[in-house]
Amino acid sequence: GAGVSQSPSNKVTEKGKDVELRCDPISGHTALYWYRQSLGQGLEFLIYFQGNSAPDKSGLPSDRFSAERTGGSVSTLTIQRTQQEDSAVYLCASSLFPRGRQETQYFGPGTRLLVL
Amino acid sequence: KQEVTQIPAALSVPEGENLVLNCSFTDSAIYNLQWFRQDPGKGLTSLLLIQSSQREQTSGRLNASLDKSSGRSTLYIAASQPGDSATYLCAATMFSSGSARQLTFGSGTQLTVLP
Repeated sequence: GAGVSQSPSNKVTEKGKDVELRCDPISGHTALYWYRQSLGQGLEFLIYFQGNSAPDKSGLPSDRFSAERTGGSVSTLTIQRTQQEDSAVYLCASSLFPRGRQETQYFGPGTRLLVL
Repeated sequence: KQEVTQIPAALSVPEGENLVLNCSFTDSAIYNLQWFRQDPGKGLTSLLLIQSSQREQTSGRLNASLDKSSGRSTLYIAASQPGDSATYLCAATMFSSGSARQLTFGSGTQLTVLP
């Protein structure tokens, strides 16, 4: 079946503009994660959605970042008033509801964001 | 706060050689540890997942071990091939709030297998 898809694959924007990144998880996966991978750094957790529960926003770096998940499926990550340090690859992952300790997250190809 | 470190940052080996990638973590209260592969311009592919109660997992030429007490995991690749060239990431799964499963990633080891 189809994997996790993300759009756009690349985004170039000017400092101060808002951007929206989209993630389509694998059908039937109830858990969805957003991560950020900055140049030369590891992946950084941003936000987690699980079903209808309140999202875990503990990783969002500032209030300029927000995310929503509509209908328990598609998610959008919004960055307002973008800054140059927001330039990174934004990765989305989905998984089945994490029962027990075995959970594999399936990652999308990422959106490469460049803020000029 | 969990910190995950990977050594070396980059590794170049001739084809056919066996190799070991290292991962260390500071907080041993993990749910599991995963190894991922990342190819240039692509997302992550999960290779192996070791539950906290397990000591190793094997898949084909890959073997991952976990020693929670020492905060270490290794990924062993046997008979390396040029197609193994990629960045390998390890990630420790921790609890965040509620039932969230938050992954903390290392910065990766960039592997090049020379033909």
